[in-house]
Amino acid sequence: GAVVSQHPSWVICKSGTSVKIECRSLDFQATTMFWYRQFPKQSLMLMATSNEGSKATYEQGVEKDKFLINHASLTLSTLTVTSAHPEDSSFYICIAGTGGAYGYTFGSGTRLTVV
Amino acid sequence: QQQVKQSPQSLIVQKGGISIINCAYENTAFDYFPWYQQFPGKGPALLIAIRPDVSEKKEGRFTISFNKSAKQFSLHIMDSQPGDSATYFCAADRGGGNKLTFGTGTQLKVEL
Repeated sequence: GAVVSQHPSWVICKSGTSVKIECRSLDFQATTMFWYRQFPKQSLMLMATSNEGSKATYEQGVEKDKFLINHASLTLSTLTVTSAHPEDSSFYICIAGTGGAYGYTFGSGTRLTVV
Repeated sequence: QQQVKQSPQSLIVQKGGISIINCAYENTAFDYFPWYQQFPGKGPALLIAIRPDVSEKKEGRFTISFNKSAKQFSLHIMDSQPGDSATYFCAADRGGGNKLTFGTGTQLKVEL
């Protein structure tokens, strides 16, 4: 079946540094990639939606200059957390939409800890 | 409009019992209602999903009941097992992979 490889699975970084999270669709083309964030014991909140070759659409309250999303190809989407701070510590997960009806493939998530 | 409300926040069930988690939505454009199971440190995994043209869907011990007029849907876990202990999220989507709106989650614990 469809697989989205997300890495790293966990990362610890120092405050002020940037972290890149990659999601690769291994055996299908991800026309759309949704990026979600999940704080401990909370729900998944959509941060942005990206379509291959176009700029991402950010949800209200999400800083586009802080959370850089690139979807340069149908098999790769990246989220870069720039100048990370402890409050950015969270579980980040990508979800690929295949363009068909109700097709979603989840990445395995990235646990980011900013110290 | 885009909210999906989920209850209860946490649930403790005895082994062999029935776990019931409820969700309600507002946006009548939603037409896909999946349930996800998440274990600590892992991403959510699709458990079962339903579309509004049916009122019930069963897969093994898991059943979704859907009430279109009330804009509610629920997950029933029959013969609950300790291995079912996890966080469960309902979600909703409006039309063909548009985006998923998640409920707030229910932490289920199944005790021996």
